[in-house]
Amino acid sequence: QVQLQQSGPGLVKPSQTLSLTCAISGDSVSSNSAAWNWIRQSPSRGLEWLGRTYYRSKWYNNYAVSVKSRITINPDTSKNQFSLQLNSVTPEDTAVYYCARDRTGDCYYDYWGQGTLVTVSS
Amino acid sequence: QSVLTQPPSVSAAPGQKVTISCSGSSSNIGNNYVSWYQQLPGTAPKLLIYDNNKRPSGIPDRFSGSKSGTSATLGITGLQTGDEADYYCGTWDSSLRGVFGTGTKVTVL
Repeated sequence: QVQLQQSGPGLVKPSQTLSLTCAISGDSVSSNSAAWNWIRQSPSRGLEWLGRTYYRSKWYNNYAVSVKSRITINPDTSKNQFSLQLNSVTPEDTAVYYCARDRTGDCYYDYWGQGTLVTVSS
Repeated sequence: QSVLTQPPSVSAAPGQKVTISCSGSSSNIGNNYVSWYQQLPGTAPKLLIYDNNKRPSGIPDRFSGSKSGTSATLGITGLQTGDEADYYCGTWDSSLRGVFGTGTKVTVL
């Protein structure tokens, strides 16, 4: 059974960097048949896919156009986890952030983290 | 912002059936599988349907999915009070980026 456990601060100041981590159990961040995603949800933007990282002989990333200039998703193979960094945040980035797994070539997310409410405020 | 369009709400009495539509385009639904998620208040979305019409283990056959062209539909039969939740459709776009629907609130009357 795959489990995703999120951690990170719930309050970030404007212009600073939002950082979250998703620890994986029951699967490997280096799996050749999975990809590791960050998704957020807010009342104004609904569910919004932010990006993914995955390993297919080398590491790849895909990012949403809306955050492409500000986002980094990195795997950490030593800890079997992956992280989200979102730079230069504004109150518009206030949302519940989820990590989630999708399988190779499959357009669905079968396992989700518990969610982290991140508020951007001074 | 959500790319796929869903009705804001649907409702029906217990035991009845509801359907939720999800409208997209040739750059998303038209060329990719569709999935559906149920989100109970305060919880993460839960996979209900994948590959247009397949149910993960443990999902009752009261839930069904279909796709035609650039639209998809989720059906819930034998509606129960426990089905009150928000429902979202999802797929990829032509650049393999995730896209979601606007969400539909199901109310059991």
